[in-house]
Amino acid sequence: KQEVTQIPAALSVPEGENLVLNCSFTDSAIYNLQWFRQDPGKGLTSLLLIQSSQREQTSGRLNASLDKSSGRSTLYIAASQPGDSATYLCAVRPNGNKLVFGAGTILRVKS
Amino acid sequence: EPEVTQTPSHQVTQMGQEVILRCVPISNHLYFYWYRQILGQKVEFLVSFYNNEISEKSEIFDDQFSVERPDGSNFTLKIRSTKLEDSAMYFCASSEGLASSETQYFGPGTRLLVL
Repeated sequence: KQEVTQIPAALSVPEGENLVLNCSFTDSAIYNLQWFRQDPGKGLTSLLLIQSSQREQTSGRLNASLDKSSGRSTLYIAASQPGDSATYLCAVRPNGNKLVFGAGTILRVKS
Repeated sequence: EPEVTQTPSHQVTQMGQEVILRCVPISNHLYFYWYRQILGQKVEFLVSFYNNEISEKSEIFDDQFSVERPDGSNFTLKIRSTKLEDSAMYFCASSEGLASSETQYFGPGTRLLVL
């Protein structure tokens, strides 16, 4: 059974810092991995999707990498801003069409 | 930009009552999903739906749950007899296809509280 773990559970950084969020999964047989952002009491906003054949994806200040063989992904946020404060969720699609989510990393960027 | 919408945003119901949660997926999408998130817990998959049939469901999706696409735009989740433990945020999602490049787009959620 696929399990997704995210470290750290929470992170507080000063504005302007670069930071890395980690995601690990137990079964390397995945179709893709998605990173989402969730604001308190809100829905999930897709940030980046990495297909199993890809190593990384970039969107603006965000860069996500995937090492499928070791079951790891990282989300790198450059020059963090207070508006980046949210919960970041990692989800893998193991087979079929469901997503399996991690518990998330709560990020707070202090101004 | 097209988005998934859900109604209502909040619903309070008494234990044992039936509830119907509604979703309007993105118009050209063919695959529809329901997930739920109990407060403080992970987002969990409930069911996926394609071509008017359930394509996959989780252990959570028991006989108390059903899904339907009653018309060309709506996708609903019905809980027949709600329990206290059904209290959660319910998210609808949709995707255009099943290729590995396909993103699932999520709606804003319906917060269900069962008293």
